[in-house]
Amino acid sequence: EAGVAQSPRYKIIEKRQSVAFWCNPISGHATLYWYQQILGQGPKLLIQFQNNGVVDDSQLPKDRFSAERLKGVDSTLKIQPAKLEDSAVYLCASSVDPGQGYNEQFFGPGTRLTVL
Amino acid sequence: AQSVTQPDIHITVSEGASLELRCNYSYGATPYLFWYVQSPGQGLQLLLKYFSGDTLVQGIKGFEAEFKRSQSSFNLRKPSVHWSDAAEYFCAVGRGSQGNLIFGKGTKLSVKP
Repeated sequence: EAGVAQSPRYKIIEKRQSVAFWCNPISGHATLYWYQQILGQGPKLLIQFQNNGVVDDSQLPKDRFSAERLKGVDSTLKIQPAKLEDSAVYLCASSVDPGQGYNEQFFGPGTRLTVL
Repeated sequence: AQSVTQPDIHITVSEGASLELRCNYSYGATPYLFWYVQSPGQGLQLLLKYFSGDTLVQGIKGFEAEFKRSQSSFNLRKPSVHWSDAAEYFCAVGRGSQGNLIFGKGTKLSVKP
């Protein structure tokens, strides 16, 4: 079974530039998550989708970050314009469906973003 | 507010020695608790999880964890550490039925030969 795919793996940009990350979840997984992991910290949820609807985006800095999952499969996370403090690893995860219980989240390898 | 505390930022143990990584959580209801491991340049891999039932849970790679409600703890243990266990370990609590996770800051494990 293929895992969660993310691209690019690494990205270096100047502040105020824009950047986009792509995630393809495990086939059949209804729920997709984007996490931000700043160096020395644990991952922090940015946004959660169930199919193509947003479940939770309370911690997404909406003035600069946006995300979409148009067909309920792959997803794109965008930052525009980037700030120095956006330097982090961006992790994508997917799960079957929380439903009435709890399903394991499977994580991709992440995209390491450096903002200069 | 829900939170997870991992008091130890960095731990060094000798290969073959036992290991215990501490995790304390704050959560209003019965928590879903997880331990993940992250090797350099890799994503997070689930080691074990606790939802309900037996408070001692077994995971992959010889790890186990014990849920202690009275202490709000979910410590990770391994009786004999291998050099390949060197990595960063994250404790997390699942937030209700939504499914998203709240992570601790992680504990970096180094293994001495």
